[in-house]
Amino acid sequence: AQKVTQAQTEISVVEKEDVTLDCVYETRDTTYYLFWYKQPPSGELVFLIRRNSFDEQNEISGRYSWNFQKSTSSFNFTITASQVVDSAVYFCALKENYGQNFVFGPGTRLSVLP
Amino acid sequence: NAGVMQNPRHLVRRRGQEARLRCSPMKGHSHVYWYRQLPEEGLKFMVYLQKENIIDESGMPKERFSAEFPKEGPSILRIQQVVRGDSAAYFCASSPIAAFSYNEQFFGPGTRLTVL
Repeated sequence: AQKVTQAQTEISVVEKEDVTLDCVYETRDTTYYLFWYKQPPSGELVFLIRRNSFDEQNEISGRYSWNFQKSTSSFNFTITASQVVDSAVYFCALKENYGQNFVFGPGTRLSVLP
Repeated sequence: NAGVMQNPRHLVRRRGQEARLRCSPMKGHSHVYWYRQLPEEGLKFMVYLQKENIIDESGMPKERFSAEFPKEGPSILRIQQVVRGDSAAYFCASSPIAAFSYNEQFFGPGTRLTVL
């Protein structure tokens, strides 16, 4: 069975602090895809990143970075020098290669205080 | 190239009424997925459709909910006799090819249903 766990329900940081959002997944598939989405207060889903299971290189995009550890089934997301505009709910999601749909984690609500 | 369109963006219904949510996939996409996001929760898969076919409805509640994706026109998620527990955000996603491979699903902005 596939499952995504985001143990942190809510995180509050002060602007300019670094923050890491955890994501742990379960799957029996050897090929799968991991995603992070941002959901700002306006409610839409903003795609942030996709990672394939066979590519364990970490990725950096501006203030965002992702750490994929297949050995621990984790795909953590770090925001460096956080800003108030980063305040949102962040979802980690999994799609198995032969799966028909995304499985989403419950989300982590990040509040960045000025 | 317009993205996935959903309308209405906000829908208010009284208990017992019907709710119809529409989703127009991206141009060239023939696969549509519906997800439901209950308050303070993540998105949960409901149904996967191709044109004129329901492929997987394992996430759909057994009663009152139905979905279709006709040959022409948008996909429709229909909720009959709504109850307060149906209040949620309903997201539609589309993809260009079959789900049985990697393909990205593009999400619409969602419809927020409120049942009074």
